[in-house]
Order: sequence, then C-alpha cells, then structure tokens
Amino acid sequence: SQQGEEDPQALSIQEGENATMNCSYKTSINNLQWYRQNSGRGLVHLILIRSNEREKHSGRLRVTLDTSKKSSSLLITASRAADTASYFCATDAGTALIFGKGTTLSVSS
Amino acid sequence: DAGVIQSPRHEVTEMGQEVTLRCKLISGHNSLFWYRQTMMRGLELLIYFNNNVPIDDSGMPEDRFSAKMPNASFSTLKIQPSEPRDSAVYFCASSLDRGSDTQYFGPGTRLTVL
Repeated sequence: SQQGEEDPQALSIQEGENATMNCSYKTSINNLQWYRQNSGRGLVHLILIRSNEREKHSGRLRVTLDTSKKSSSLLITASRAADTASYFCATDAGTALIFGKGTTLSVSS
Repeated sequence: DAGVIQSPRHEVTEMGQEVTLRCKLISGHNSLFWYRQTMMRGLELLIYFNNNVPIDDSGMPEDRFSAKMPNASFSTLKIQPSEPRDSAVYFCASSLDRGSDTQYFGPGTRLTVL
C-alpha cells in the first residue's frame, strides 16, 4: 500500500510562478525525501528532510515537514520550463523507501 | 562514476518468453532495489537487497519473477514466462548503505510483452 500520497496529481503553471506540491503519509517516519522524474528517465533525488527538521532549502526548492499532521510540502520558486517533470515524495518508515504516485508539474513559457 | 547502469533499455518480447533485466550498482553501494512503474499502479518496490541478501521481496508479483545478486555490483531480474500484464518500465536503484538512504536510479528498462 502507498505510504505517501501527493496532491495535486497534476499542476500547470506559467514560468516564473511558484509551484507547491503536498505529500501526506500514514505512519511515523525517520525521514522524507523528494525526487524528480523527467519523462522517460529515472528518478533523481532532490532533497531529504529528517523527522526532527521542520524546513529545508536547496536552491529554488523549499521543503517543509509537519510530523504532527504527517505531511510535507515541496515549493519550487520562480519555476522554469525545465522544471516540467513528475515529483515524488518517499517516506522512510523502516527498511526501505515507499514512493507516492507523484505530482505531474507542467511549466509553460 | 557512471551511475547505475541498466540493460537493455528497451525489450520487446512475446508472451511466454523469458526476459532477463540487468543492473550494475554504483561502486561502493550496498543496497539494491528493483522497481516497476506503470501508469495504473505507480512505482512499486519489487525487491530490496542489502549486502547481496534479499531483505524484502514482498513486492515480487508471483513465482514468475525472480531476482539475484551473484556479486556485490550486479543484479538480474528474470521473468519467466512473461505475460502482457508485465509490460512496464523496470528501474534498478542503489543506495550507499541502508534502504532508507538516498537512492540513485538507473535509466530504466521499458518492457513490452506482446
């Protein structure tokens, strides 16, 4: 069964706008990771946030984690056409990561 | 480092045939994962190895699927006999130590079973 569920399933924005994707999960976690998948390619790790962290930044990416609500968000600021991809959250609840079904982001110029 | 290497990149076969997918881990990584991705079911973990030992194979669909790690750097996923419903993209990924570490994915093998 899926541990993480991303929301929305699909998101379309214009270049320069911010994109926010959310992930909810069910059980306690050690860390939560976000990955990106470009069409026809493998997943690429973006950022990892540990359960004792509340916010983390990496370039134009900002991730928040609320363990009380069992949710995380990924914010991409000043989006570019090259950000068009699917974004997945993955939760670590024990032995291996469990991936959600992803949010498909489309950024048009 | 070349990253995770998978072969073949594309495979088209007929129902009933044996299919073997191959994966080479990143040097020094101790964990290996096989995933299957479809539109309907998303990304599913099939099996996870740590130090060449299968840790979790609960995602392997049925006895037609088998996976091996003959050495620390190489793995195979075999489907025998293949069925049309096995059509999917199969990814191999590796991580440095534990299953919860950052994973590095290969480019995938697109399998089509006619």
